[in-house]
Amino acid sequence: QLLETGGGLAKPGGSLRLSCAASGFSFRSYTMNWVRQAPGKGLEWISSISTTGDFQYYADSVKGRFTISRDNSNNSLSLLMDGLRAEDTAVYYCAKFGSSDHWGQGTLVTVSS
Amino acid sequence: DIQLTQSPSFLSASVGDRVTITCRASQAISGYLAWYQQKPGKAPKLLIYAASTLQNGVPSRFSGTGSGTEFTLTISSLQPEDFATYYCQQLQYFPRTFGQGTKLEIK
Repeated sequence: QLLETGGGLAKPGGSLRLSCAASGFSFRSYTMNWVRQAPGKGLEWISSISTTGDFQYYADSVKGRFTISRDNSNNSLSLLMDGLRAEDTAVYYCAKFGSSDHWGQGTLVTVSS
Repeated sequence: DIQLTQSPSFLSASVGDRVTITCRASQAISGYLAWYQQKPGKAPKLLIYAASTLQNGVPSRFSGTGSGTEFTLTISSLQPEDFATYYCQQLQYFPRTFGQGTKLEIK
């Protein structure tokens, strides 16, 4: 199971930190991901992190503003979002892809003054 | 970056119809392709991975084929619960791009 928390309202230029609590599987064995969906729009992959946390990957739209991290001892995934923009308004999902695919229920981030 | 283009973007069909959605990649992705179904307000649900492998619990009316740059998702006989939006995603390269989606509506 994956459970995201930390969404809410932020002002342009502000920051938010999303968390994803994992349970029921060997968290440390999987690359983990964040995907977002703006209202009425399609899915957008935004970031992945390797099993050990040594490698992080970002979409160009968030590179330099968002930071993905993980804590394998606590089975948790995080996304620190700085420099928020109106276009970052979306539901954010944490997910693991592949044959053992699983997604959280999502958390809504709204960026507005 | 690899671009995924789905066609059509909108599809109107009836219960019992056979429908096919195509996903074209801007370069070869060696079968690392997944198909998802998403209903309003819900997280995406994996239907097919590795281009043609049916996820556990997914009805056999769903099937996936393809390789290289062209992939298809076929629903052999539409059921009322199949009306949703479908996405392809490539899992070979970063960024892990999604197609723009295909909205399947009831005719």
